[in-house]
Amino acid sequence: EPEVTQTPSHQVTQMGQEVILRCVPISNHLYFYWYRQILGQKVEFLVSFYNNEISEKSEIFDDQFSVERPDGSNFTLKIRSTKLEDSAMYFCASRLLSGQATNEKLFFGSGTQLSVL
Amino acid sequence: EDQVTQSPEALRLQEGESSSLNCSYTVSGLRGLFWYRQDPGKGPEFLFTLYSAGEEKEKERLKATLTKKESFLHITAPKPEDSATYLCAVQAGTALIFGKGTTLSVSS
Repeated sequence: EPEVTQTPSHQVTQMGQEVILRCVPISNHLYFYWYRQILGQKVEFLVSFYNNEISEKSEIFDDQFSVERPDGSNFTLKIRSTKLEDSAMYFCASRLLSGQATNEKLFFGSGTQLSVL
Repeated sequence: EDQVTQSPEALRLQEGESSSLNCSYTVSGLRGLFWYRQDPGKGPEFLFTLYSAGEEKEKERLKATLTKKESFLHITAPKPEDSATYLCAVQAGTALIFGKGTTLSVSS
């Protein structure tokens, strides 16, 4: 069964450093997402991306964050200058864009655990 | 503001002991209510989507139902492998808004 692939599975960085989290969405999917989950808390929406541009973003997704689809298969999340509070599990997700509205299930990757020291 | 509240936070069952998980939601115009399963250290795994009050869906020992204000995930005769965190989410725009989840532990 096709799956969303995320690398690395764990990333440790120093506060103030830049990190790039990588994702390979399912090949025929057109809508891409990043979510995060701080330990013990809810899964939180960060950003959605369609047709090479941001479709929607949350308050969390400030100027320190950016997303990119550098080629036909990868989707990346960059955090420019990491803070301690950025420590979380980051999930990439993708979905088909059906002809009907936006009601399509999301397929999630296994996540990248980011630890900012 | 769109909100999802799940209860209980944690539930311990004996194998074979049926129960229900609750998801209460507030959303302006429901476009879909989703149930996901999350195992420790993994991403959420899709279970069901419900679109309108009265709708029901089943998969193995799980059955999801929907009313205008809440959804239930009924677990019939659970097995230890059903142990996981069950997440409820509603669609808001292009995003899913998740609840905190119910962590289910089933012992044999």
